[in-house]
Amino acid sequence: KAGVTQTPRYLIKTRGQQVTLSCSPISGHRSVSWYQQTPGQGLQFLFEYFSETQRNKGNFPGRFSGRQFSNSRSEMNVSTLELGDSALYLCASSFGATQYFGPGTRLLVL
Amino acid sequence: QQQVKQSPQSLIVQKGGISIINCAYENTAFDYFPWYQQFPGKGPALLIAIRPDVSEKKEGRFTISFNKSAKQFSLHIMDSQPGDSATYFCAASKGSGGSNYKLTFGKGTLLTVNP
Repeated sequence: KAGVTQTPRYLIKTRGQQVTLSCSPISGHRSVSWYQQTPGQGLQFLFEYFSETQRNKGNFPGRFSGRQFSNSRSEMNVSTLELGDSALYLCASSFGATQYFGPGTRLLVL
Repeated sequence: QQQVKQSPQSLIVQKGGISIINCAYENTAFDYFPWYQQFPGKGPALLIAIRPDVSEKKEGRFTISFNKSAKQFSLHIMDSQPGDSATYFCAASKGSGGSNYKLTFGKGTLLTVNP
């Protein structure tokens, strides 16, 4: 089975812009979670989607949003980018308790 | 509030030695405890996981020890190899409903295995 894929792998944006990241889960996995990884805060949970519904949400401002499509693919959007949004954004798909992570999208906000 | 505390931040071990990384958690509702390994430029990869109904789980050179009363768990890497050099994360989650899918991570341990 192919693993979790994320696009794009790298992204450079400027403050105030918005960005959309994409995640394709492992075939058959219906749950997709998103995490932000930074050197200072580590890995932090953003949100989780299951069958197109957001089931869990972390402590991030409303500028961070996501959605899931009927084929389980997911997107996350960050609006009005801030310098502090520079991070590695990781997507994970799950079947049961085990989460399988993609390689991440490295976002740099200038 | 840091719900999962991991130590040490960094660890240097000689080839063939034992690497030990410790984690402590606060939330007694946590009932799933995985360890992830991350290489530079890659996403975290699941190494091994344990539930609190067992005190130890071994997979190859990797062993998790779990102490429910102390709310602590640790990763032991036996016969450490230079290829094990990576960042290791402990994590925890609750098991009911959809909560399995929200992992709370420790801050990570950078392991260096010298040849």
